[in-house]
Amino acid sequence: KNEVEQSPQNLTAQEGEFITINCSYSVGISALHWLQQHPGGGIVSLFMLSSGKKKHGRLIATINIQEKHSSLHITASHPRDSAVYICAALPLGSNYQLIWGAGTKLIIKP
Amino acid sequence: DAGVIQSPRHEVTEMGQEVTLRCKPISGHNSLFWYRQTMMRGLELLIYFNNNVPIDDSGMPEDRFSAKMPNASFSTLKIQPSEPRDSAVYFCASTLEWNTEAFFGQGTRLTVV
Repeated sequence: KNEVEQSPQNLTAQEGEFITINCSYSVGISALHWLQQHPGGGIVSLFMLSSGKKKHGRLIATINIQEKHSSLHITASHPRDSAVYICAALPLGSNYQLIWGAGTKLIIKP
Repeated sequence: DAGVIQSPRHEVTEMGQEVTLRCKPISGHNSLFWYRQTMMRGLELLIYFNNNVPIDDSGMPEDRFSAKMPNASFSTLKIQPSEPRDSAVYFCASTLEWNTEAFFGQGTRLTVV
């Protein structure tokens, strides 16, 4: 069993829908990252959070440390949101060695 | 700042040749990471530099791989000799401190034939 699990693996939705991508982890962490990888390949860091909730535009990331679970939400989804979304956990005691989720491939249809 | 800059964006080379990938981190960032991404294994950390010093190179696959960071604004990842199984996308990322947000370059897509 992977230490960081993402669900779903693939998600197809219509433009405008509310999107939720989940990330569960089994180790104690000091931070969790959400990143976006576009079809062109570039990787962009969306959020780094260790508690609570962060919001940037239409993106919201939440984390529940007790339940070892984080979610990434996209409101009013748009075709340009189509990408692979990756969560990565920074375990307690580690300065840099992230544990990577497998990614969620999101397709938003117009 | 232009972000993390990697070159080349694409590299096609023959087996046995030497390949050098280059990375310019964001100015002022003191941590630099080299990652390799493949379909089978996802993102793997190859090496981590802090203040230009290699801290952890345990992810470097074998002696054919080497990385240097001669100064705060430049790093190289070299593969010599290259093999087809080295074909992957190689990413460089930098952070201000080890526990802050990471900024990735656009990656170098390496194909070894």
